Amino acid sequence: GIQVEQSPPDLILQEGANSTLRCNFSDSVNNLQWFHQNPWGQLINLFYIPSGTKQNGRLSATTVATERYSLLYISSSQTTDSGVYFCAETGVSGNKLVFGAGTILRVKS
Amino acid sequence: NAGVTQTPKFQVLKTGQSMTLQCAQDMNHEYMSWYRQDPGMGLRLIHYSVGAGITDQGEVPNGYNVSRSTTEDFPLRLLSAAPSQTSVYFCASSYSEWGVGYGYTFGSGTRLTVV
Repeated sequence: GIQVEQSPPDLILQEGANSTLRCNFSDSVNNLQWFHQNPWGQLINLFYIPSGTKQNGRLSATTVATERYSLLYISSSQTTDSGVYFCAETGVSGNKLVFGAGTILRVKS
Repeated sequence: NAGVTQTPKFQVLKTGQSMTLQCAQDMNHEYMSWYRQDPGMGLRLIHYSVGAGITDQGEVPNGYNVSRSTTEDFPLRLLSAAPSQTSVYFCASSYSEWGVGYGYTFGSGTRLTVV
């Protein structure tokens, strides 16, 4: 199956700073998704982005399918952005979502 | 609008016991799935369903059973609990197109400990 690698594993930011999270994939990118898990464990689907760029408020994501990677940008970070960010992809299976190990983000006030 | 409801939130089992984790969604989603999350790891797919009466195995299906008799419900059964099944379990439902899920909504999770 597809392998999903996320970097960096840990990130500490001061409130107001910007950050970029990255996902690399071992197989073709078809159904890429980004998720956020808050410190209380709740998971939220941020983006479905198999290609191109999408923006939602201070968050934006870009996927370059031909080079098998995706980036999540967080601008003007806030303490509420803290948590774990996951990317996930099905690869050629089409319906078995494989998650990366996540990036732990801590935003300090 | 409740979204995805998982019960129970916490459970302690003895080795060898069986139990069912309940999952219900009220969004009329076709695609439902179960994941487990272990410390330091991402979520791993256990089983999934693309519609009532249709289920398939994910990445880590051993020791678990599922059925999907209605669109709304997708219970996960632990057949004979083992300490290796200590984990946090998440149920999710999503829109689907051509069997591919997107726009996921997750339940709040079940923290299971097997002693």
